[in-house]
Amino acid sequence: GAVVSQHPSRVICKSGTSVKIECRSLDFQATTMFWYRQFPKQSLMLMATSNEGSKATYEQGVEKDKFLINHASLTLSTLTVTSAHPEDSSFYICSASPVGYYGYTFGSGTRLTVV
Amino acid sequence: DQQVKQNSPSLSVQEGRISILNCDYTNSMFDYFLWYKKYPAEGPTFLISISSIKDKNEDGRFTVFLNKSAKHLSLHIVPSQPGDSAVYFCAASVGRPGNNRKLIWGLGTSLAVNP
Repeated sequence: GAVVSQHPSRVICKSGTSVKIECRSLDFQATTMFWYRQFPKQSLMLMATSNEGSKATYEQGVEKDKFLINHASLTLSTLTVTSAHPEDSSFYICSASPVGYYGYTFGSGTRLTVV
Repeated sequence: DQQVKQNSPSLSVQEGRISILNCDYTNSMFDYFLWYKKYPAEGPTFLISISSIKDKNEDGRFTVFLNKSAKHLSLHIVPSQPGDSAVYFCAASVGRPGNNRKLIWGLGTSLAVNP
C-alpha cells in the first residue's frame, strides 16, 4: 500500500512554455503532499506543501507564481512550472503520507529539461 | 542552518563488509528519524526509522542506532552488497512524521559498495 504515482517521468520543453507534473496517491487519500526539487549531486529541497482544498505553503525563496500548485482532490496534486527557463531544469519529486501512517512515500520523480 | 547533517558526502566499502553512515542533528525537538535510499533518477525509498524513545532499531541487514545525548544517529548495513550502492538520506521530524509534518533532510551520503 501507500503508492504515489508521478507523471511524466521525463519531459523536455522549450524555454517560455509551461509544464505540468502530476502526483497521485493511488491507494490512499492525502490531504497533504510535498513537492521537492533535487539538483545534481545535491540534497532534496522542499519547495512547497500542497494542501487539499486550500493554498499551498511555499518554502522561503520559492516563487509561487512560477511554481503553481493545485491540490484539487484528495488523491491528486499538480505542480506547474510556468514560463520555464533552462535554470528550472531539475529533478522534481512529490511525496505523501496516508493519514495515520508514519513516514512518507515518494513518487518516482520527473526529470525536467528546459531547452 | 543545516539542522540535519551528513558530514560524509561519500563512502566506499568492500562487498561483505559493514557500511556505517552517520547523521548528526541540532534540533533537540526532533523525535523521529528516518533513513531513505535513493537511486539516480528515482524517488527516495524508505529504509528504516527510529523513534527517540529507542536507541536501536533493526530490520534485516539494516540497523539504526540513536544516541540522543550526542544528537547522533547511524545506519549500519551488514553485510554490504553492491546493490546497496545509492545515496542515503537521513531525515528527521518533530513528532511522528505523517500527514502534514515536514521532514528535515540531510544532504545525503553516496555509498559505493565494491565487488
